[in-house]
Amino acid sequence: EPEVTQTPSHQVTQMGQEVILRCVPISNHLYFYWYRQILGQKVEFLVSFYNNEISEKSEIFDDQFSVERPDGSNFTLKIRSTKLEDSAMYFCASSDGVRQQETQYFGPGTRLLVL
Amino acid sequence: GESVGLHLPTLSVQEGDNSIINCAYSNSASDYFIWYKQESGKGPQFIIDIRSNMDKRQGQRVTVLLNKTVKHLSLQIAATQPGDSAVYFCADLQGGKLIFGQGTELSVKP
Repeated sequence: EPEVTQTPSHQVTQMGQEVILRCVPISNHLYFYWYRQILGQKVEFLVSFYNNEISEKSEIFDDQFSVERPDGSNFTLKIRSTKLEDSAMYFCASSDGVRQQETQYFGPGTRLLVL
Repeated sequence: GESVGLHLPTLSVQEGDNSIINCAYSNSASDYFIWYKQESGKGPQFIIDIRSNMDKRQGQRVTVLLNKTVKHLSLQIAATQPGDSAVYFCADLQGGKLIFGQGTELSVKP
């Protein structure tokens, strides 16, 4: 069964450093997303991406964040200068179809720890 | 504001019993809801979805009920098994983004 994959599974970084989180969405999916989950809290939307551009972003997704689809398979989230409060699980998701009303399938997540 | 909430943070059931997890939503315009299961250290896993033109949908051992009048959603798990132990989230799809509730942690006692 096709699935979303993410690398790395864990990332430890120093405050102020740049991190890139990588995702390979399900191959025939058209919409891509990043969510995050701070420990013990609910999953929060960060950004959606379609047709090589951002469709929607949340207040969390400030200028320190960026997304890119560098090739036909990868989808990345970059945090330019990490802060302590960026520590969280980051989930990539993808969905199929020409309408956005399609189920989103999640990857296993990257656990980011900023020290 | 827009939100999706859950009635109980934890639920403990005996193996073999039925489980009911509840969820309330606030956006009357919401028309697509999804239940996700999240096991420790893993990403949310799709369980079942329902659109607003339905009030009930059944899957394998799971049933979702939607009451649009009171803006309430429930997930019923039949014959709950130890492998069902996880956090369950309801989510509301709004304009392409999922709005998650806080989650209910289901514990299954053997």
